[in-house]
Amino acid sequence: ETGVTQTPRHLVMGMTNKKSLKCEQHLGHNAMYWYKQSAKKPLELMFVYSLEERVENNSVPSRFSPECPNSSHLFLHLHTLQPEDSALYLCASSQYGGDSYEQYFGPGTRLTVT
Amino acid sequence: AQSVTQPDIHITVSEGASLELRCNYSYGATPYLFWYVQSPGQGLQLLLKYFSGDTLVQGIKGFEAEFKRSQSSFNLRKPSVHWSDAAEYFCAVGMGSGNTGKLIFGQGTTLQVKP
Repeated sequence: ETGVTQTPRHLVMGMTNKKSLKCEQHLGHNAMYWYKQSAKKPLELMFVYSLEERVENNSVPSRFSPECPNSSHLFLHLHTLQPEDSALYLCASSQYGGDSYEQYFGPGTRLTVT
Repeated sequence: AQSVTQPDIHITVSEGASLELRCNYSYGATPYLFWYVQSPGQGLQLLLKYFSGDTLVQGIKGFEAEFKRSQSSFNLRKPSVHWSDAAEYFCAVGMGSGNTGKLIFGQGTTLQVKP
């Protein structure tokens, strides 16, 4: 595997379900990000982890719970979601502290909440 | 507040024609600027980036962009568009040192290519 991978690629869940999204980066980076991409809206940064510590949480509802057990893995735990949470969830990674801020993205998980 | 504006939501060009996608940013310091492309059902792929130096930067797939500080712009260009270039394009600005490399994205421009 190379780059940034995300599983599952598609997920349909009811509002009472609990599920998790997984992201893995194979680039040796030390920062990871979760974004939400809804139709006709700019990418919304949800969470940032740097050196496995959460450094930013952009007022995301508590029904989204991130976890970063190590620098290569990032999870987004979902529970009691709402239909408006249906979106493409993108994971990204970068090398914090370097000269650039370029982020490398995974293919995303398309989430549908019914 | 920092922001990125892509004035064109949707652009249609004929295959072989030239392309320019506009991007304007609002940021107090020297910006780190990026263009990403997203094909349907895919994540974002980095096309090119500007940090410093030559204001005309070359990227992958024949794309280039020019940083114009006086106009706060970073427009993306391609001299001859191919059908495979149809996708959504995002301009982004990276905030300066002392943070976690946060990117602010524009709302995107959808490119349609006519045969």
